[in-house]
Amino acid sequence: KQEVTQIPAALSVPEGENLVLNCSFTDSAIYNLQWFRQDPGKGLTSLLLIQSSQREQTSGRLNASLDKSSGRSTLYIAASQPGDSATYLCADSTDSWGKLQFGAGTQVVVTP
Amino acid sequence: EAGVAQSPRYKIIEKRQSVAFWCNPISGHATLYWYQQILGQGPKLLIQFQNNGVVDDSQLPKDRFSAERLKGVDSTLKIQPAKLEDSAVYLCASSPTQGADGYTFGSGTRLTVV
Repeated sequence: KQEVTQIPAALSVPEGENLVLNCSFTDSAIYNLQWFRQDPGKGLTSLLLIQSSQREQTSGRLNASLDKSSGRSTLYIAASQPGDSATYLCADSTDSWGKLQFGAGTQVVVTP
Repeated sequence: EAGVAQSPRYKIIEKRQSVAFWCNPISGHATLYWYQQILGQGPKLLIQFQNNGVVDDSQLPKDRFSAERLKGVDSTLKIQPAKLEDSAVYLCASSPTQGADGYTFGSGTRLTVV
């Protein structure tokens, strides 16, 4: 059974620092891996999707890497801003049907 | 483009009562998902529909939970009877086809069972 773990559970950084969020998964035979952002009382917003054949994806200040052999993905957020405060979840899919297995998330607070 | 609509936003019921949640996916999205998110945990898939057929309901507690997707569009998720441990946020998501690309989540329904 695939298990997805995110450490740390919470993180606080001053504005301007780079954020590094970690995600590990037990089954390396993933189909893809996705990073989501969740704001309080709201649904999840997809940030980046990495296919199993890719090593990384970038969008603006966000960069996500994928290392299937070690079962790890890392989300980098450059020059953090208070608006980046949210919970970040990673989720992988082990087949083409789209079912996602989520980690518990990392709650991020960026202080001005 | 309109997002995934869910209602109600909040619901408080007593244990052993029944409750129903409604979801309207993005127009044209063939795949619809219901996830349960317990406080402090990541979402867990309850059921996945492809058009109006069930693809995966392996984690749906079928003795108390049921879901349907009539005409391959709207969907309802029902709990009867509810237990205290069903307190959670119920998230609906849709995607254009099967697969994780293009996932769009609704804002969810927060259920409290007392």
